[in-house]
Amino acid sequence: GEDVEQSLFLSVREGDSSVINCTYTDSSSTYLYWYKQEPGAGLQLLTYIFSNMDMKQDQRLTVLLNKKDKHLSLRIADTQTGDSAIYFCAERGYSSASKIIFGSGTRLSIRP
Amino acid sequence: GAVVSQHPSRVICKSGTSVKIECRSLDFQATTMFWYRQFPKQSLMLMATSNEGSKATYEQGVEKDKFLINHASLTLSTLTVTSAHPEDSSFYICSARLGGASKEQFFGPGTRLTVL
Repeated sequence: GEDVEQSLFLSVREGDSSVINCTYTDSSSTYLYWYKQEPGAGLQLLTYIFSNMDMKQDQRLTVLLNKKDKHLSLRIADTQTGDSAIYFCAERGYSSASKIIFGSGTRLSIRP
Repeated sequence: GAVVSQHPSRVICKSGTSVKIECRSLDFQATTMFWYRQFPKQSLMLMATSNEGSKATYEQGVEKDKFLINHASLTLSTLTVTSAHPEDSSFYICSARLGGASKEQFFGPGTRLTVL
């Protein structure tokens, strides 16, 4: 079945870049997402990328997609304390019946 | 992005009672809504997919008689946990998709259910 995998933890120094990696197995994935979850809150859609794109940049966020290797990454430039959260990678197919499949989430912590 | 609200944000109930959680899309019409359950330090587990005006589609292992889902309008879906037990304590999150094949799916803030 479909599977999305992420490392569980990442610690970076404030001001450095954070890179969160994700791999997925479904070759028919059409949309790939990054969501952010702060403690006790729901999920905030950060950004998404179509499977026919290699890169998408949005302010401090850069998403890279290697479709051949089924590898997705999220780079956060100039990481701030407010970026501390759990980041979920997710994917889904194109059809209206397709469901989002989430990774386990990566907990990003920021060191002063 | 579009806004999805949930009510209540927290609920504590006694074992055996039923609890209703509401999910609303505030500034858009959602043909499809989803209900997820999240255990501490874990990812989201899809419970069911709800389409307006039709019966919800439940994921394998989710009891449809225990978790009643009603999607009465394009902006409202409800999840009722019937005869709640302590093992039902969890964080319940709803989500709404802008359109059937829409790429964007937005999530509510979640409801923390604690069953004593």
